[in-house]
Amino acid sequence: DAKTTQPPSMDCAEGRAANLPCNHSTISGNEYVYWYRQIHSQGPQYIIHGLKNNETNEMASLIITEDRKSSTLILPHATLRDTAVYYCIVSDRANTGNQFYFGTGTSLTVIP
Amino acid sequence: GAGVSQTPSNKVTEKGKYVELRCDPISGHTALYWYRQSLGQGPEFLIYFQGTGAADDSGLPNDRFFAVRPEGSVSTLKIQRTERGDSAVYLCASSYIAGGAGELFFGEGSRLTVL
Repeated sequence: DAKTTQPPSMDCAEGRAANLPCNHSTISGNEYVYWYRQIHSQGPQYIIHGLKNNETNEMASLIITEDRKSSTLILPHATLRDTAVYYCIVSDRANTGNQFYFGTGTSLTVIP
Repeated sequence: GAGVSQTPSNKVTEKGKYVELRCDPISGHTALYWYRQSLGQGPEFLIYFQGTGAADDSGLPNDRFFAVRPEGSVSTLKIQRTERGDSAVYLCASSYIAGGAGELFFGEGSRLTVL
């Protein structure tokens, strides 16, 4: 069953920030938020994950609301290579083996 | 080092035939996952191994599907009496441990077409 809701598609101008939203209103206290992306004809690629605090790495930033019911993945300067399907996943990694439910994700198109 | 390797990259077979798909995980990764992805859908969990044992096979659609990982490294997904509905990309992923940091490393998949 889907634990997350994402818009099916988004566009972003090259060089601008891409903000991808995700709703996870039923998230439990032990569940982490993960983001993966899948470029056409490739396997999914890990981007970032977090529990409560905002997180940043070399690829992206993850902003999680205080009530943890939603989050936003931010790609600060989108490039054409960021065109992909982005999946937001919640998972209780302490009690599962990370058998992720991917859903259908958001198809991001970066426009030149 | 090398990433997750899957072979074959493409497999075309006829309905009713037997198929094996192979996955070579990243060296040292103890957890190995199989997913299936149909066109326009996200990856769907099938089974995962922690070491040699299948820790969760709840995603296998029926008893025609079976997977093994006899030495805790390479895994084979086996599909008997293939059906047209089995056509999909079969993805393998590995991670250092199951349920740990959460980063799964995926291969590029094996595309299965059942005619």
